Amino acid sequence: DQQVKQNSPSLSVQEGRISILNCDYTNSMFDYFLWYKKYPAEGPTFLISISSIKDKNEDGRFTVFLNKSAKHLSLHIVPSQPGDSAVYFCAASSDRGSTLGRLYFGRGTQLTVWP
Amino acid sequence: SAVISQKPSRDICQRGTSLTIQCQVDSQVTMMFWYRQQPGQSLTLIATANQGSEATYESGFVIDKFPISRPNLTFSTLTVSNMSPEDSSIYLCSVEGPVVYNEQFFGPGTRLTVL
Repeated sequence: DQQVKQNSPSLSVQEGRISILNCDYTNSMFDYFLWYKKYPAEGPTFLISISSIKDKNEDGRFTVFLNKSAKHLSLHIVPSQPGDSAVYFCAASSDRGSTLGRLYFGRGTQLTVWP
Repeated sequence: SAVISQKPSRDICQRGTSLTIQCQVDSQVTMMFWYRQQPGQSLTLIATANQGSEATYESGFVIDKFPISRPNLTFSTLTVSNMSPEDSSIYLCSVEGPVVYNEQFFGPGTRLTVL
């Protein structure tokens, strides 16, 4: 059973505009969420994270929003750049004390940013 | 962040054979994990590689099929035994700690094709 869901397998956005990638989860025990970016033939690269005690975290062009009541998070990229074209994975972790431990991943969304 | 290398980067194997994948980290880490990404699927945790003791396997994965070694804090191996075409996947190792525990860093992955 998929506990982390990314329902959009692909997203196409024009350069300079906002990219919004969505993620839903079913397990209310998840308390830490991460976004990874993956280029072909490379491993996932950590992008940004958010704890369940927050509803927003920002890092440069990347902002993650968390809506706990809706069990939904989103990644906003503003402005989008062609180099952002990659597969984006949403991941979640439940409380394991001081470590993340097992991460539960969505299936990913392929973002394409066109000039 | 830790620099992680994996060998081999890809391989094509015959049914019934075994392949050992190596994961090398450039610094000592506390936690090491092995994930699998089947075609079109999300990343799924196979096991946590414990230094000096037996690996901890997730539901659906067993030691006989995926034996894991972790002789020290910078190295681990995953063996895929008695392979079948269903084992065709990308296998990734990831690490966490010992300084930062709210991020997991991934290796580049090993793309395995079983004929």
